[in-house]
Amino acid sequence: EVQLVESGGGLVQPGGSLRLSCVASGFTFSDHYMDWVRQAPGKGLEWTGRIRNKLNSYTTEYAASVKGRFTISRDDSQNSVYLQMNSLKTEDTAIYYCARFYIPWGGSLDVWGQGTTVIVSS
Amino acid sequence: DIQMTQSPSSLSASVGDRVTITCRASQGISTYLNWYQQKPGKVPNLLIYGASSLRSGVPSRFSGSGSGTDFTLTITSLQPEDFAVYYCQQSYRTPPGFGQGTRLEIK
Repeated sequence: EVQLVESGGGLVQPGGSLRLSCVASGFTFSDHYMDWVRQAPGKGLEWTGRIRNKLNSYTTEYAASVKGRFTISRDDSQNSVYLQMNSLKTEDTAIYYCARFYIPWGGSLDVWGQGTTVIVSS
Repeated sequence: DIQMTQSPSSLSASVGDRVTITCRASQGISTYLNWYQQKPGKVPNLLIYGASSLRSGVPSRFSGSGSGTDFTLTITSLQPEDFAVYYCQQSYRTPPGFGQGTRLEIK
């Protein structure tokens, strides 16, 4: 079964840091780009960032709202992708999903994790 | 950045109705348009990719059309399980923005 499982969410104070993890199974993880998408309480979906595969030099891109504060990395040997979040703000409070970017389907996000909740509050 | 605008923001309909949701891109995106369904408390689920390709396992009452800047998601003969929030997303260029969502409610 193709699956993504996130972890690492929690309560953190403004200015703090948190590292989210996403472990993949059921597919060749190293072949795929991976995205992070977040959803603030009661709000819509917001693309957060992407990491490409080894063939594309593991390059990353970020939403303007998180650029310079968030860093995406991956470990293909562990079938894992990470989201390092620094200098957290209250507006970063959200459910964070990792998702597989599926090139054969035009770059749609065809597999999603269950999400992990981040609350930034003092 | 490419802006995605959905209309309407919310929609009330009855079981058996036919509904259409519109998504407009601020610039041409060819057919790099995807539709997702999100039920309350659940994870978003890809329904349609490439503007009109139905994902395997998605009921045929769902269909998508459009290219360039204007797209539609149509659901024929609404079923109780279809009441959810629907999002469009462009995958033509980074950042791959989502529309604001359309909440489909039971009348």
